[in-house]
Amino acid sequence: QQPVQSPQAVILREGEDAVINCSSSKALYSVHWYRQKHGEAPIFLMILLKGGEQKGHDKISASFNEKKQQSSLYLTASQLSYSGTYFCGTGGTGTGANNLFFGTGTRLTVIP
Amino acid sequence: NAGVMQNPRHLVRRRGQEARLRCSPMKGHSHVYWYRQLPEEGLKFMVYLQKENIIDESGMPKERFSAEFPKEGPSILRIQQVVRGDSAAYFCASSPPSGRAPDTQYFGPGTRLTVL
Repeated sequence: QQPVQSPQAVILREGEDAVINCSSSKALYSVHWYRQKHGEAPIFLMILLKGGEQKGHDKISASFNEKKQQSSLYLTASQLSYSGTYFCGTGGTGTGANNLFFGTGTRLTVIP
Repeated sequence: NAGVMQNPRHLVRRRGQEARLRCSPMKGHSHVYWYRQLPEEGLKFMVYLQKENIIDESGMPKERFSAEFPKEGPSILRIQQVVRGDSAAYFCASSPPSGRAPDTQYFGPGTRLTVL
């Protein structure tokens, strides 16, 4: 039930773009994206719901492909502050909607 | 507007002792979730509670672990007779009563439990 994230790690120079993928073997109903810096709380980025929507704010956006059971997080013109580990959490339906299964994370490092 | 509060931030226990972890949700939030994170791993769901009710405890080990969210006061995650394998970061998240799942979960800073 744990989603698979790829890549596991990526290093970018400031200003470069990155894509982080989150794939599930089960039907997706919601995908929750978080960023966590070492030793800190995960910070909520966005939530996408079943329906194949795309969301974004500033230079971070995400898509949700229900058929492929996959979500992708897009980071454009990366900044140093984007460094951290990105997690996707997937939710089910009914009482399982809030029981999130998180991937093992993608470690993003942005260098000057 | 304070976020999710957890205390203590660090807790050291010897094998066999009890660990009590506290979580105060954000103001206005009535749903609390507990997750465990091992080093270099993702968050693992443990339990989902509303005031005085356990909604989903499917991720909670059957023995030694319990959680509560009383009408007054913080949510408590209790681990009895701790073992070395319990060493981890325990995160609490909270969400408002939106009435329509899934809810957006806001995480606290975590409690790092070390069992000697």
